[in-house]
Amino acid sequence: DARVTQTPRDKVTEMGQEVTMRCQPILGHNTVFWYRQTMMQGLELLAYFRNRAPLDDSGMPKDRFSAEMPDATLATLKIQPSEPRDSAVYFCASGLGEMGGSYNEQFFGPGTRLTVL
Amino acid sequence: AQSVAQPEDQVNVAEGNPLTVKCTYSVSGNPYLFWYVQYPNRGLQFLLKYITGDNLVKGSYGFEAEFNKSQTSFHLKKPSALVSDSALYFCAVRDKSFQKLVFGTGTRLLVSP
Repeated sequence: DARVTQTPRDKVTEMGQEVTMRCQPILGHNTVFWYRQTMMQGLELLAYFRNRAPLDDSGMPKDRFSAEMPDATLATLKIQPSEPRDSAVYFCASGLGEMGGSYNEQFFGPGTRLTVL
Repeated sequence: AQSVAQPEDQVNVAEGNPLTVKCTYSVSGNPYLFWYVQYPNRGLQFLLKYITGDNLVKGSYGFEAEFNKSQTSFHLKKPSALVSDSALYFCAVRDKSFQKLVFGTGTRLLVSP
């Protein structure tokens, strides 16, 4: 049963510290998304990769957030320095993208719950 | 820009009764519509999608959705609700330019015993 995995599941840190969240997409998926979910803002798309190349990171605060895909099996989201307003659940999702004209669903990981004190 | 609206923050229904969770969309071109469900402390799970074809789409866990072009709606339905259906439901539309999805604000479904 192929799944998207995310680590850590929970992270508590102090303001100003660096936070790195990791995601392993489903093997063979060529599209990776990072989302943030809060009660106030709902579900927000932060960044999006296709074949490891960033295609859209317009939802991400550029001064402190960065997203990368060092290889096809790992996506990272880094916050430096972290702030209390970054407290949220961060989801990674992967998909097949537009393969052969089909429109495939995204598969979500379990999320990383980040608390910045 | 593509968008969806979920007009109800919460829907309450008794177990065994039919349920409907509403979604309306605004798109240019053909709409590609999705429903996802989120259980507590979990990621979103795909339920069903409409790309083309039959206006009634069947999905996981006995859910179905009806695409209505004239009303620009894509309501999620189930004939008989279960307590275990209680969760947060998201409608989404595919962005015109990319593969990314634009999600609605979510509707919390509460099924009482």
